[in-house]
Amino acid sequence: NAGVTQTPKFRILKIGQSMTLQCAQDMNHNYMYWYRQDPGMGLKLIYYSVGAGITDKGEVPNGYNVSRSTTEDFPLRLELAAPSQTSVYFCASSYPASGANVLTFGAGSRLTVL
Amino acid sequence: AQSVTQLGSHVSVSEGALVLLRCNYSSSVPPYLFWYVQYPNQGLQLLLKYTTGATLVKGINGFEAEFKKSETSFHLTKPSAHMSDAAEYFCAVSDPTGGFKTIFGAGTRLFVKA
Repeated sequence: NAGVTQTPKFRILKIGQSMTLQCAQDMNHNYMYWYRQDPGMGLKLIYYSVGAGITDKGEVPNGYNVSRSTTEDFPLRLELAAPSQTSVYFCASSYPASGANVLTFGAGSRLTVL
Repeated sequence: AQSVTQLGSHVSVSEGALVLLRCNYSSSVPPYLFWYVQYPNQGLQLLLKYTTGATLVKGINGFEAEFKKSETSFHLTKPSAHMSDAAEYFCAVSDPTGGFKTIFGAGTRLFVKA
């Protein structure tokens, strides 16, 4: 049981490039989330999804896009990368119907934009 | 809108001393409350959670937290710190009536001195 898998673990981008961070979970969780973590700022919610085909903005969605075509996958797309997007990105999933919305996190993807 | 405030970005204690990490939240509805822990270069793991019922909740590794509605607080404590407790701790709030978005505090880094 792999849990939440994120790829890549590390990536360096040039300003203006685009890329997709991949996230997959094998727990049949219906909710999935993308957060970014910056020093001293905690985790900020970028986008989340309550099921296949349904996504919604979080606290800091600008510069990002998501899609949710299957229950398992929730990729995060960065268009026109900017230095402000240098961060560690975490994907998470949950199953609120289990009684509490406990998030299971991936190991993170460290992105540097130069 | 929900929010979480963690008092103190850094806390330092001696091994064997009491650990107290403070968390205050804002929510228009009775929230779900969580503490997560992050060890270096890892994702977040659940320490404990409060949903309903008993206001004193116990978690892993000897940690516990008390939900105080009148003070809108959910402080984390451990009677005796261990070196292995050194990590970053995040308080989080989730609205069970509003899409289960989970919002995190800025985090508190715990240092344990020998």
